[in-house]
Amino acid sequence: AQKVTQAQTEISVVEKEDVTLDCVYETRDTTYYLFWYKQPPSGELVFLIRRNSFDEQNEISGRYSWNFQKSTSSFNFTITASQVVDSAVYFCALRPSNAGNNRKLIWGLGTSLAVNP
Amino acid sequence: GAGVSQSPSNKVTEKGKDVELRCDPISGHTALYWYRQSLGQGLEFLIYFQGNSAPDKSGLPSDRFSAERTGGSVSTLTIQRTQQEDSAVYLCASSLRPRPYDSGNTIYFGEGSWLTVV
Repeated sequence: AQKVTQAQTEISVVEKEDVTLDCVYETRDTTYYLFWYKQPPSGELVFLIRRNSFDEQNEISGRYSWNFQKSTSSFNFTITASQVVDSAVYFCALRPSNAGNNRKLIWGLGTSLAVNP
Repeated sequence: GAGVSQSPSNKVTEKGKDVELRCDPISGHTALYWYRQSLGQGLEFLIYFQGNSAPDKSGLPSDRFSAERTGGSVSTLTIQRTQQEDSAVYLCASSLRPRPYDSGNTIYFGEGSWLTVV
């Protein structure tokens, strides 16, 4: 089965705290892609990162970092020194290799992050 | 425009009525997607258009749902005889290339059309 689990439904932190959003996936494919998207209150989805299954190197982009561990089937997302503007729903998604033209992502239910001043 | 534009932003309709949702993708983007996000649910793929190819309708939940894309640009998602379970945010997205999740390509989403069926 293909599945993405974001166990944290809601997280609330105070500004400047670090916060990690968990993502655990299931797939039998050896080739796949993982994604994180941000959905701010305005509703649009903003692409954050794409990671392929052959690249386990962790990535850092400013205050954002991602930890991909195939051994635990996890692709966790950390925001360092959180800011109020980080408040949003964050989605983790999986594209298995059999997705044809890649249109059928498998999505987690999202984690709602509230960063309070 | 600079981004994916959707209209209406909000729509409240009575059960049984038909609704049309419009999406204007980023100019030049050949791929167009419709997704749905219901309360408490993840994103659900509905339909995919790529250039002049036949659309992939495999995600449409019932025959009450249909979509078309005219001239390879603007798309309309039509829901006939709306039901309360159709209430959701309908998101349109576009990408420059037909394989949107490949390296160097990105999907751009609109702000969504919030549909409420009462």
